[in-house]
Amino acid sequence: SQKIEQNSEALNIQEGKTATLTCNYTNYSPAYLQWYRQDPGRGPVFLLLIRENEKEKRKERLKVTFDTTLKQSLFHITASQPADSATYLCALPHASKIIFGSGTRLSIRP
Amino acid sequence: EPEVTQTPSHQVTQMGQEVILRCVPISNHLYFYWYRQILGQKVEFLVSFYNNEISEKSEIFDDQFSVERPDGSNFTLKIRSTKLEDSAMYFCASSGLFETQYFGPGTRLLVL
Repeated sequence: SQKIEQNSEALNIQEGKTATLTCNYTNYSPAYLQWYRQDPGRGPVFLLLIRENEKEKRKERLKVTFDTTLKQSLFHITASQPADSATYLCALPHASKIIFGSGTRLSIRP
Repeated sequence: EPEVTQTPSHQVTQMGQEVILRCVPISNHLYFYWYRQILGQKVEFLVSFYNNEISEKSEIFDDQFSVERPDGSNFTLKIRSTKLEDSAMYFCASSGLFETQYFGPGTRLLVL
């Protein structure tokens, strides 16, 4: 069955540094991959979608890469700020649903 | 910016009681979904709904669960006889195309 792994349960970095989160998947060839942000007690908020024929996508301080050979996506936040502290979810489509990874809890310390 | 809304924000119920969770999806969206998240765990798919019928459902979505779109705006999830393990955050989502799903703020359900 399809499996999504976000290999860091938690990541703690200094403000201003670049945060890099990893998502790996197996038994799957998705047409696209998404990243969501989830704050405590709130619903996931869509951030970025990257398609299988795109290597990289950017939105403001966010950058996502997608390597279909490695079956891996990297999510970068540059010039990180304390307000970026949240759980970030990797998500893959399957039939009519989204399968979420367990998330990486990112903490940015001032 | 249009958003998905959910009511109530919190619901406390006794085991065995029926609950109805309500959602108002984004108005021009065609696909509707329910997910749940048990505290400290990942977001899990329950059911998807399109053209007034269920498109897909997970193993969690057993006979105790049902969904309905009673009018042009609301989308509901009913749990007929709640169990302790139904305690979770329930998220409604909607999408226009099949890709990006927009999530509501959730209903926190506590079954005692």
